[in-house]
Amino acid sequence: AQSVAQPEDQVNVAEGNPLTVKCTYSVSGNPYLFWYVQYPNRGLQFLLKYITGDNLVKGSYGFEAEFNKSQTSFHLKKPSALVSDSALYFCAVRDTGFQKLVFGTGTRLLVSP
Amino acid sequence: EAEVAQSPRYKITEKSQAVAFWCDPISGHATLYWYRQILGQGPELLVQFQDESVVDDSQLPKDRFSAERLKGVDSTLKIQPAELGDSAMYLCASSFSGADYTFGSGTRLTVV
Repeated sequence: AQSVAQPEDQVNVAEGNPLTVKCTYSVSGNPYLFWYVQYPNRGLQFLLKYITGDNLVKGSYGFEAEFNKSQTSFHLKKPSALVSDSALYFCAVRDTGFQKLVFGTGTRLLVSP
Repeated sequence: EAEVAQSPRYKITEKSQAVAFWCDPISGHATLYWYRQILGQGPELLVQFQDESVVDDSQLPKDRFSAERLKGVDSTLKIQPAELGDSAMYLCASSFSGADYTFGSGTRLTVV
């Protein structure tokens, strides 16, 4: 079965510094990988996805992610963090069966002023 | 931008009562998903529809949960009777191609 792992429960970064939120995946075949962000008591907002093509994917709000097949990773990055980026971030992979999304446990990002 | 509509946004119910959630997916999206997200965890699939048919309900507690999508458009998820452990965020999502998934704002259920 497809799965993703987010090894960090929380990431702390100062505003203006670069941020990285880690995700590793385990799939059979070619992975469809996604990042979503969730603000308190809200649904999931799509940030970016990797299906095929360029390993560096650019998404919404200045976020990007790098697909690394050899390390089976899909880390989310942003060059300069904002306080408003503080939220819960989920990595997900599309299951090969009925194409549901399988989510990681989430990483809380806290950006301090 | 098209959205997935969910209602209600918040629901407080007493243990053993019945509760229902509604979802209206993006027009033309044949696939509809209901996820449950317990506080502090990632969303987990409860049920997946392809048009009006259930294609995956392996994680749906069928003794108390039911879901339907009668005309292949909007969907209702029901819990009867509700238990304290059902307190969670219930998220609906829809997809057209299996490469894009749009989530609604969710229903926050509190069982007291």
